[in-house]
This record gives sequence, C-alpha cells and structure tokens, in this order.
Amino acid sequence: DTGVSQDPRHKITKRGQNVTFRCDPISEHNRLYWYRQTLGQGPEFLTYFQNEAQLEKSRLLSDRFSAERPKGSFSTLEIQRTEQGDSAMYLCASSLRDPMGYTFGSGTRLTVV
Amino acid sequence: AQKITQTQPGMFVQEKEAVTLDCTYDTSDPSYGLFWYKQPSSGEMIFLIYQGSYDQQNATEGRYSLNFQKARKSANLVISASQLGDSAMYFCAMNGGTSYGKLTFGQGTILTVHP
Repeated sequence: DTGVSQDPRHKITKRGQNVTFRCDPISEHNRLYWYRQTLGQGPEFLTYFQNEAQLEKSRLLSDRFSAERPKGSFSTLEIQRTEQGDSAMYLCASSLRDPMGYTFGSGTRLTVV
Repeated sequence: AQKITQTQPGMFVQEKEAVTLDCTYDTSDPSYGLFWYKQPSSGEMIFLIYQGSYDQQNATEGRYSLNFQKARKSANLVISASQLGDSAMYFCAMNGGTSYGKLTFGQGTILTVHP
C-alpha cells in the first residue's frame, strides 16, 4: 500500500460542468476526510467519513457538493454546476483512529474556466 | 470554535541555522492536539510533529521541536540546522472538542532556506 491516492491530479473544466474526484485511502484506515485548499491558504475541512457513514459536513459544502464513500472504501467528491470560486486544491486524507495517523493524498487541483 | 493564527507570511533562514515559526491558537476545549505539517511545492501535506494539550514536555522529532506555551496559547515550531530541503510552506493545525478527527489549519508560513 503506497498511501492515499487521488485521481485525477489536475482537472480543468468549464463553468457549469459537473466534476467528480476520487480518493483511495490506505486500506486499513476507516476514517476519510476531504479538505479544500485555495491558493495561499491553509486547508479547510469539508467532510468526514467513518467507514461508509458521513459523520460531519462543513457549511462550505454547499448543495452543489456531494461526497460518498460506498462500502467504506474509496470516496468520491462531486461538484455540480461548477463555479470559478470552486477552483482550488481538493485534498483527501485518511486515518485509522485520530489525526496523529493522518495521511494526506497529493490532491486534485481543479481549475474552473 | 477553534482558530489558528500564523502571523509570519514568509520567513528566511540561512542553511544550518535554526528558525522558529510562530503559531497561536484559540479554543475553549480543555483537550486538544496541535500539529505541524510541511507542504512542499509538490502539494502533499507531510506530518511533522504533534503536541497534546496535557503533555507536560515539549514534543521533539529529530530536527523539529514544538515550543508549547499553554498559558500563552502558542505552539511554535523550531527547526534546527536548517537544510535546503526544508524550503516549503508550513502549517500549524489543531483538533479537539466534538470534532476530534477534524483539523483546523492556519494560513501557513513560507520558509525559504538560503545556502
């Protein structure tokens, strides 16, 4: 197991299109997190799964955003009707119990044109 | 609510010198954790060091140490013997309260190590 994988690494989309990102956590990790990082800022929490249950969602996660983690393995983050303000790095992380064991993926950089 | 403040947008240090990156935090939770992450230009977040709010001693990990002053609510990162590879963005973060798994990050400090 080589760590947390995110796909794609880069995505350019036109405003109004839908996009979906995938995150494959470390296999034994039951917790999975999504963060958004805009240029020059720290990551901001979006949502958190324990196994397949989505336990917490940030107010940043508007109705256009949805995240799933079917069967408690990989996770997808979908953004509908993208806006230019959605341009950011989307980071996924996983852990077994607590943030001391956090492992981040390399992120998906979204550019909305 | 938790808040992390990093007031140094950029720091410069000479190779082999020590550097301190500042971090102050605010929380009403009695139990919390403080973290430092390094983010190179490649984008991945690399965990450096952790300090628990009840830990009596300052955390150390190799060349990294965390200067934890609870009364002042500060958790500064000290990097000793800086190396060129230390040039990166550094983030202070914390967790605690009802969302123990969630991290709140500061704005980051860009560290540049000069040869």
